[in-house]
Amino acid sequence: NAGVTQTPKFQVLKTGQSMTLQCAQDMNHEYMSWYRQDPGMGLRLIHYSVGAGITDQGEVPNGYNVSRSTTEDFPLRLLSAAPSQTSVYFCASSRPAGTGGYTFGSGTRLTVV
Amino acid sequence: GQQVMQIPQYQHVQEGEDFTTYCNSSTTLSNIQWYKQRPGGHPVFLIQLVKSGEVKKQKRLTFQFGEAKKNSSLHITATQTTDVGTYFCGGSNYKLTFGKGTLLTVNP
Repeated sequence: NAGVTQTPKFQVLKTGQSMTLQCAQDMNHEYMSWYRQDPGMGLRLIHYSVGAGITDQGEVPNGYNVSRSTTEDFPLRLLSAAPSQTSVYFCASSRPAGTGGYTFGSGTRLTVV
Repeated sequence: GQQVMQIPQYQHVQEGEDFTTYCNSSTTLSNIQWYKQRPGGHPVFLIQLVKSGEVKKQKRLTFQFGEAKKNSSLHITATQTTDVGTYFCGGSNYKLTFGKGTLLTVNP
């Protein structure tokens, strides 16, 4: 099993550009989430989904969009990149809350210049 | 909204010393999860606690969930250099909210 696969691993964007971070899981997990990690700030929840067709906002959703058309995929879209979005992004998936831990992808390191 | 606070932010120990990190939530949690992130890596799930007062052990690691289900701790006995990393607690009701983590460094 591949687990949670994130692409790309590294990306440099110019301010104002848009892009999509891809996330796919092959564990048939219902829950999927996107986190960003910045030094000293821990892991902050951007958006999450409890199943296909259902998404909701986390702590820091501004500037990001998500969709969940299938159980396997949960892409994160940056609409107009800003330097403040320079971060490491992690996608994670799990069975429903309370039934086990999250499996994290290896992350995407994004730099916006 | 739900907030999870974790202390200390940093801890440096000599190899063989014990280590404890504490996690406190502003709200009652349905469960709490602990993760370890090695430098340059991604968070890896360690354990989940669900019951009030629950204590679980994994070799040298002991995890506790408070009676009120608002706090938790992770204790490592006799640290080793392989324990280096950041330990996060995550409080879960319907979405997982993390503390800022405790960075553990171990001097051999």
